[in-house]
Amino acid sequence: NAGVTQTPKFQVLKTGQSMTLQCAQDMNHNSMYWYRQDPGMGLRLIYYSASEGTTDKGEVPNGYNVSRLNKREFSLRLESAAPSQTSVYFCASSEVGGGLYEQYFGPGTRLTVT
Amino acid sequence: DAKTTQPPSMDCAEGRAANLPCNHSTISGNEYVYWYRQIHSQGPQYIIHGLKNNETNEMASLIITEDRKSSTLILPHATLRDTAVYYCIVRVASETSGSRLTFGEGTQLTVNP
Repeated sequence: NAGVTQTPKFQVLKTGQSMTLQCAQDMNHNSMYWYRQDPGMGLRLIYYSASEGTTDKGEVPNGYNVSRLNKREFSLRLESAAPSQTSVYFCASSEVGGGLYEQYFGPGTRLTVT
Repeated sequence: DAKTTQPPSMDCAEGRAANLPCNHSTISGNEYVYWYRQIHSQGPQYIIHGLKNNETNEMASLIITEDRKSSTLILPHATLRDTAVYYCIVRVASETSGSRLTFGEGTQLTVNP
């Protein structure tokens, strides 16, 4: 089992460019999440998908869109990148949502917007 | 979700027990206490969670006070690989309660040789 995988590992964008961060899990989990972590701070939830076909906003959704492509994959899109979106992005999954089960995290994507 | 308070940093000698405290004085009766840790630059890793009884697994023990206003995560024999930021999170656990994990700033545990 690879667990939760994320691509790319590193990315540098110019202001205004767009990109999609990819996340996949092979644990047959129903729920998936996107977090961001700014330097020296805890993680903040951007969007989550409680089950295939559903998505909901988290704490900091502005500037992002998500797609739950299928049960395995959950992508995060930045339509017009801004320097304030420079961060490390973590994808996570869990069997179900609501905190009943632990979340498993990917290795992260380090994004720099210049 | 209830707010948690943790010391910003702690040190521990290798091979000794590491005891990480967490205050959650506003915890509600249906809120669980969760612990995650984040080793430098990696994704967070689940450690343990509990409601009111003490819990133990292969990684750690969780001691929750009788009034549930505070808890302690115990790593019984800390190793250098346990150096990480440890997050205490309090939240309701139910399928209808939403899925947010609110990470504060955590405690930086440094295990020294």
